[in-house]
Amino acid sequence: SAVISQKPSRDICQRGTSLTIQCQVDSQVTMMFWYRQQPGQSLTLIATANQGSEATYESGFVIDKFPISRPNLTFSTLTVSNMSPEDSSIYLCSVFRDREMHGYTFGSGTRLTVV
Amino acid sequence: EDKVVQSPLSLVVHEGDTVTLNCSYEVTNFRSLLWYKQEKKAPTFLFMLTSSGIEKKSGRLSSILDKKELFSILNITATQTGDSAVYLCAVEGPSGAGSYQLTFGKGTKLSVIP
Repeated sequence: SAVISQKPSRDICQRGTSLTIQCQVDSQVTMMFWYRQQPGQSLTLIATANQGSEATYESGFVIDKFPISRPNLTFSTLTVSNMSPEDSSIYLCSVFRDREMHGYTFGSGTRLTVV
Repeated sequence: EDKVVQSPLSLVVHEGDTVTLNCSYEVTNFRSLLWYKQEKKAPTFLFMLTSSGIEKKSGRLSSILDKKELFSILNITATQTGDSAVYLCAVEGPSGAGSYQLTFGKGTKLSVIP
């Protein structure tokens, strides 16, 4: 059964606009993680979203560009703001499930193309 | 800064071959090492390794961790075309958010030819 529902699956956006990506988890989790995967590259952590506090951003990522909301323990959104073609990537959310069967589980991903 | 290096970056084999994928790491306060298979967008979990020398096995896939030499290998025996994917290695270490986070390697792209 799906653990994380992520949408949209893909989008093509005009430069200068913003896109909000949503992740819904089927159980309560403390931390949700947002990753970016640029073409031909590996996954890079953008930020960790903890319910009830501001997200913690990794070096190179700022809140003005990637605002995150975490209104409850099952939902989070990532907005990619004022987009440029360099933002064209796959964006993924992730949660920790367990240490044996699932590890960190990922949403189905959002493929963003900025034109 | 935490670092994960995978080799080779790409590999082409014939069906039935056995492959070994490598992952070396440098991480402060190592907690675990994970292997994922990525075919389209979402990585699919394969293994999570925390102890040295204990092999984890799932069907034709197996993996082992060496915490002294700081590396892990992922073996795939009797490869099939469905094994074609990017295999990602990640290490779990402490995060600035007070929990843990994953640092990923660049991946090994495996292509299995019929």
